[in-house]
Amino acid sequence: TAGITQAPTSQILAAGRSMTLRCTQDMRHNAMYWYRQDLGLGLRLIHYSNTAGTTGKGEVPDGYSVSRANTDDFPLTLASAVPSQTSVYFCASSDSFRVGSNEQFFGPGTRLTVL
Amino acid sequence: AQSVTQPDIHITVSEGASLELRCNYSYGATPYLFWYVQSPGQGLQLLLKYFSGDTLVQGIKGFEAEFKRSQSSFNLRKPSVHWSDAAEYFCAVASGTASKLTFGTGTRLQVTL
Repeated sequence: TAGITQAPTSQILAAGRSMTLRCTQDMRHNAMYWYRQDLGLGLRLIHYSNTAGTTGKGEVPDGYSVSRANTDDFPLTLASAVPSQTSVYFCASSDSFRVGSNEQFFGPGTRLTVL
Repeated sequence: AQSVTQPDIHITVSEGASLELRCNYSYGATPYLFWYVQSPGQGLQLLLKYFSGDTLVQGIKGFEAEFKRSQSSFNLRKPSVHWSDAAEYFCAVASGTASKLTFGTGTRLQVTL
């Protein structure tokens, strides 16, 4: 089972350019999440989606947008990248409707550098 | 708002020694607590979780954690560390089935041979 896949693995992007980070899960989980990981700050939630067709803002949503057209895919878009968006981005999913269990499963991450 | 504190940024232990990583949380009700491990260049893997019941929780790779409500703590322990345990460890808290996780800043574990 693939679990969660993310693409690309890494990317160097010029400031001002747009980019979409892709995330796909094959576990039929209802909930999906995007985090960024920065040294000394741990993981911070950018956006989340509890079900297909719905999204919500996390702790650090500014400069990012998401969509959830179906259960499996949850792309993250940077409309106009800035250097402060240099980070490692992790996608995660969970079966949050299952009572007593909201373990999140993580993808391998995308390392993004904005110059 | 919920929060997690991992007071130790970096810990070094000798192989075979015992390990305890500290985690303190702030949350009004009974929390859902997690420990994740991240090996270099990898994503996060769940070590163990606490939802309710027995306050001593067993996880994978020989790890355990104890929930202490009176101390708002969920410390991770391992009786004998292996060199392969070198990684970064994250404690996280969730508010029930809403399932949005709040992570601590992590503790980097170095194991000396």
